[in-house]
Amino acid sequence: AQSVTQLDSQVPVFEEAPVELRCNYSSSVSVYLFWYVQYPNQGLQLLLKYLSGSTLVKGINGFEAEFNKSQTSFHLRKPSVHISDTAEYFCAVSDRIQGAQKLVFGQGTRLTINP
Amino acid sequence: KAGVTQTPRYLIKTRGQQVTLSCSPISGHRSVSWYQQTPGQGLQFLFEYFSETQRNKGNFPGRFSGRQFSNSRSEMNVSTLELGDSALYLCASSLGGSVYEQYFGPGTRLTVT
Repeated sequence: AQSVTQLDSQVPVFEEAPVELRCNYSSSVSVYLFWYVQYPNQGLQLLLKYLSGSTLVKGINGFEAEFNKSQTSFHLRKPSVHISDTAEYFCAVSDRIQGAQKLVFGQGTRLTINP
Repeated sequence: KAGVTQTPRYLIKTRGQQVTLSCSPISGHRSVSWYQQTPGQGLQFLFEYFSETQRNKGNFPGRFSGRQFSNSRSEMNVSTLELGDSALYLCASSLGGSVYEQYFGPGTRLTVT
């Protein structure tokens, strides 16, 4: 069975500082990886995805992530954060692109940006 | 284009009652998935419907059920509510079931007292 571990439940950083949110996965088959963001009282918004190809993936709002198969990791990074990045971030894995599939989510990392 | 809508946004029910939640996908989307979000268990997959057929199901008891109509709108039903069913229920829609195309709604916050 697939699983996702987000290593930090909370990450506080200062505005304009860089940030890395860590995600490790386990899977016995090919994986497709995603990062979602959830702002207060809202649903999930897709930040970026890794399906195949280049291991460095760029997403919205200046975020990027690197797929590392040997370390089974998919860490999310941003070089300079803003107050508006305060939210909860979820890493997820799926074993399918099309057809019957489901997303398996990590427990989430709450990112707090301090002025 | 309108996003995924879920109704109601908030709901309070008593133990033992049943509840029905509704999800209207983005126009043209044929797949609807449901997830339960709680502080303790996080985000967990409930089920997915595609063209009115349940295509995938998570590990939830039979009290949780769903259906999809010909216009792709979906409902989920929880019977004999328990306190542990209190959660944010999210639905997501996509064109043909491709995971990376999933668009989430704002959720329905269910509180069971």
